[in-house]
Amino acid sequence: DTAVSQTPKYLVTQMGNDKSIKCEQNLGHDTMYWYKQDSKKFLKIMFSYNNKELIINETVPNRFSPKSPDKAHLNLHINSLELGDSAVYFCASSPGLFEGDEQYFGPGTRLTVT
Amino acid sequence: AQSVAQPEDQVNVAEGNPLTVKCTYSVSGNPYLFWYVQYPNRGLQFLLKYITGDNLVKGSYGFEAEFNKSQTSFHLKKPSALVSDSALYFCAVRGLMDSNYQLIWGAGTKLIIKP
Repeated sequence: DTAVSQTPKYLVTQMGNDKSIKCEQNLGHDTMYWYKQDSKKFLKIMFSYNNKELIINETVPNRFSPKSPDKAHLNLHINSLELGDSAVYFCASSPGLFEGDEQYFGPGTRLTVT
Repeated sequence: AQSVAQPEDQVNVAEGNPLTVKCTYSVSGNPYLFWYVQYPNRGLQFLLKYITGDNLVKGSYGFEAEFNKSQTSFHLKKPSALVSDSALYFCAVRGLMDSNYQLIWGAGTKLIIKP
């Protein structure tokens, strides 16, 4: 059983389109995250939800909107895609907000905007 | 400012030799430190963490890390490297950023193990 899954794995789309990435975790965790990994492999936190409540909302364009229908799911919707949005997007989860909680990552979604 | 530094972009080690991947941190309060590994085209996998207690922490795949408070370091080590250890390694520390506790990530170190 996959602990943290993301769909799709690859996403190729044109500038200006709107797309969504879905994430599900079956670990029973309370906290979920979205990260962006750029071409230099640098990781940047985008959002974090705890029990469906937004707790981290880093400085990302408001074209990015996360949605958490329940604590097992955290989806990412992106409007008006731009070339600079091309990256790998990772979903992750952790048991909670305890400082020592490790995060479990999904396999990533490689987004290519042409 | 709270930060994590991985001073080496790449580390090359011959198979069978010991390996060290360096990490230093700057954080206020007690540090909660983590190592993750990323294999090509995969998500990150948790390797080990330091919360409190023994300075030498053992983790997955034979890796260990040594917490050194005076040097603010948390270097990743393995006594005998395998070719399959070749991957990208990230160090992270839990820190306070913009009023929220979150993981602060290093830039990653590419580990290459040569047969």
